[in-house]
Parts: sequence; structure tokens; C-alpha cells
Amino acid sequence: DSGVTQTPKHLITATGQRVTLRCSPRSGDLSVYWYQQSLDQGLQFLIQYYNGEERAKGNILERFSAQQFPDLHSELNLSSLELGDSALYFCASSVGDIKWGAQYFGPGTRLLVL
Amino acid sequence: GDSVTQMEGPVTLSEEAFLTINCTYTATGYPSLFWYVQYPGEGLQLLLKATKADDKGSNKGFEATYRKETTSFHLEKGSVQVSDSAVYFCALSHGSSNTGKLIFGQGTTLQVKP
Repeated sequence: DSGVTQTPKHLITATGQRVTLRCSPRSGDLSVYWYQQSLDQGLQFLIQYYNGEERAKGNILERFSAQQFPDLHSELNLSSLELGDSALYFCASSVGDIKWGAQYFGPGTRLLVL
Repeated sequence: GDSVTQMEGPVTLSEEAFLTINCTYTATGYPSLFWYVQYPGEGLQLLLKATKADDKGSNKGFEATYRKETTSFHLEKGSVQVSDSAVYFCALSHGSSNTGKLIFGQGTTLQVKP
């Protein structure tokens, strides 16, 4: 158990819908990262927050947004869903945002868009 | 941009065989290098890391040495067990910025047969 929790574990929805994925980092960790894992794209970095502020952005679509709240939990919002958004979404956390720090991954949310 | 290339899988070995999974990278600056492991149905777990050239990371019998001259970080284990069956990801953190975001290779599936 990494100490990072993600809800829900599974999500099935229809095209055009909007969903929210939630992540609670390990106690004391200030950084939260979101990654998408799909068969064709592999593991891709989406976005990072550090202590409530956006720190880095990767290949995140404009239909996707995220935020980190004062209690440090984070939410990833996916809207106007398409079939291609079906994937495993991981949240990870770390103490800081330094490049040599270890990231601890949650179990993931599996999203299926029908 | 920065990238990581891993050997194609799946890799199938008998128990107690020697394991090598090749990983090479392209990066600006001085990245940190990581190996993560993903067991079926779980999130990623940090296996080992190295933060500068010639560093050797080791954990649970696995080793990898950061070779700047060959831009490589190959994973090795002297004697694999059935319980090592998993997907292994090589990753780097961006060398020229302070963000800890990870760039992953495509993953290598290891299957160990008794």
C-alpha cells in the first residue's frame, strides 16, 4: 500500500459525458501528479500540482482539467468524453517537486467510455 | 524532447535465470533515472533509482547502473523468481527543469515460469 488513494476504482460512462477522478496523496506529500496509461500511448504525464499551484503540464487535452485543494487532495476532471479517453488514470504523490524524489502511485482509476 | 526506450517484451524466463531488461534514454541536462514495477491490477511501485552518473540503484536483488557515456540504465537480476512476473518501466525525470514529472518507456512484460 503506497498511501495514495484514488476513487473511484472503476468508472463506466458514455461519450459526451463528464467525470471527476479523485486522488488523496500520502500524508505530508505536497506534489500530486496525474498520468494516463493506455495501450497505444503507454504511460503519459498529464499535469502536476505542488501545494495547490499548477507546476507542470504535459500532454493534457483542453477537455481535461485538474486542481489541488487546500487539504492537498486533487481532482482530475474529464469532459466531453470520447472513446479514446478510455484508459487507466494514475495519481502519484511526492514530498516535493524535485527531479530525484520518488513518486508513490495510487492503484488507478479505470475509465471506460462507451 | 526527452525520451526513454526499453527493449520489447514479453520476456519469458525460467525460475533462477539471469534477467536483463535494456533501457536507453535521450535527455538534456542531467536526468534522474528510475525503474518502476507494476504487478497485475496494481499501481506502479518504485523499484530503484539513480540520480547521477555511475550511481548504482539496487533493491530486492535488482540492480541498475546509470551510464552517462552510453545513456543507459539496464535492469539486472541474478536469479529471477515466479513472483517477479510483472511489467517493468524505465523512467526519467526531466533533466533541465525542477519538476519531478516522469517520462516513461513503453514497459517490458516479464513472465517467469517455474
